[in-house]
Amino acid sequence: NAGVTQTPKFRILKIGQSMTLQCTQDMNHNYMYWYRQDPGMGLKLIYYSVGAGITDKGEVPNGYNVSRSTTEDFPLRLELAAPSQTSVYFCASSYNPGGGANVLTFGAGSRLTVL
Amino acid sequence: RKEVEQDPGPFNVPEGATVAFNCTYSNSASQSFFWYRQDCRKEPKLLMSVYSSGNEDGRFTAQLNRASQYISLLIRDSKLSDSATYLCVVTVNAGGTSYGKLTFGQGTILTVHP
Repeated sequence: NAGVTQTPKFRILKIGQSMTLQCTQDMNHNYMYWYRQDPGMGLKLIYYSVGAGITDKGEVPNGYNVSRSTTEDFPLRLELAAPSQTSVYFCASSYNPGGGANVLTFGAGSRLTVL
Repeated sequence: RKEVEQDPGPFNVPEGATVAFNCTYSNSASQSFFWYRQDCRKEPKLLMSVYSSGNEDGRFTAQLNRASQYISLLIRDSKLSDSATYLCVVTVNAGGTSYGKLTFGQGTILTVHP
């Protein structure tokens, strides 16, 4: 199984450009998440989805948008890139978010630099 | 106060040493606890869940102290391959099919040297 696949792995953007980080999982997980990780910091939740057609904001949603048209895909859109969005982005999925499971499977990460 | 706090380290230990990390959490409603391992420039991966009675997986032992609101990770007989960042994760479950909020600590860096 591929697990969680993210593309691209690396990207450099100019201020004001837009881009989409792609994320797909083949584990039939209902729950999907986007996190960002800044140096020396923990992961911060940007957006999450509890199933196809349902998305909700996490801790740091400003400047981002998501959609969840299928169970497998959860793309993250940056509309007007800013230097503050320079970070490593991780997509993750989980099968059972409640009842104590909450075990996340992460993608390999996407390193984004905004100049 | 941060929701989840870890000593960022770095912890530098020789091979064979025993090392312990603590992680404190502020929300007394927290229900699920985990340790993840993150290698340099890689994604986090689950190391182990933390159960109320404490649990062991080979050289790794996890403990939970609800009264003092902290979890710990003990690594015995450290190996060079244990060098990584260890992330503490705390979850407040909403129950049923609702989203359980996961909060990550900033991670503790461990370097094991020969």
